[in-house]
Amino acid sequence: DAMVIQNPRYQVTQFGKPVTLSCSQTLNHNVMYWYQQKSSQAPKLLFHYYDKDFNNEADTPDNFQSRRPNTSFCFLDIRSPGLGDAAMYLCATSRDRTSNQPQHFGDGTRLSIL
Amino acid sequence: DQQVKQNSPSLSVQEGRISILNCDYTNSMFDYFLWYKKYPAEGPTFLISISSIKDKNEDGRFTVFLNKSAKHLSLHIVPSQPGDSAVYFCAARDGNQFYFGTGTSLTVIP
Repeated sequence: DAMVIQNPRYQVTQFGKPVTLSCSQTLNHNVMYWYQQKSSQAPKLLFHYYDKDFNNEADTPDNFQSRRPNTSFCFLDIRSPGLGDAAMYLCATSRDRTSNQPQHFGDGTRLSIL
Repeated sequence: DQQVKQNSPSLSVQEGRISILNCDYTNSMFDYFLWYKKYPAEGPTFLISISSIKDKNEDGRFTVFLNKSAKHLSLHIVPSQPGDSAVYFCAARDGNQFYFGTGTSLTVIP
């Protein structure tokens, strides 16, 4: 009955080796978000898609990219992961951006960098 | 600059008593506030929300209070149950973006 599914749950990659994290949703929501959360910190928004419109946060490093090939799927690409990119990555969806509807989160992907 | 702050990293409460989790914010443009609950190894789950035009919203054992003049949000859980033990995040929306606090870890002692 999972509605926002993130794969894999745990990802280990080498320093500098590109990695892709995946998120899919069965809610048919228009908006998909990617957050980075480090230990004991608040989730930090990296970017979001409103339908096909990509919205990057000003302080998101260029190393982070995203793709949304269709309504159901969204990918987070880290082109050259550094040690500081080790974190939990959370995907979330919402019906739209302005109505009073909550975000729905996946269980996250924990990324480790060797 | 943290716009949403949860100043208590942890809270312990006896089963059956009231749990009060607090959240302060600095941005007067926030128009929608939420509480999420997070168990280990799971993503945050929506718990309860409140619009900025209200000062209270209740859902079963959970009540959220909003004090706009003090820029303060609180979540009351009564009575607390052991299954409520989790990390609680408050969040607030400004435009297209949600801002989160760092979380409060609640432990309900049987």
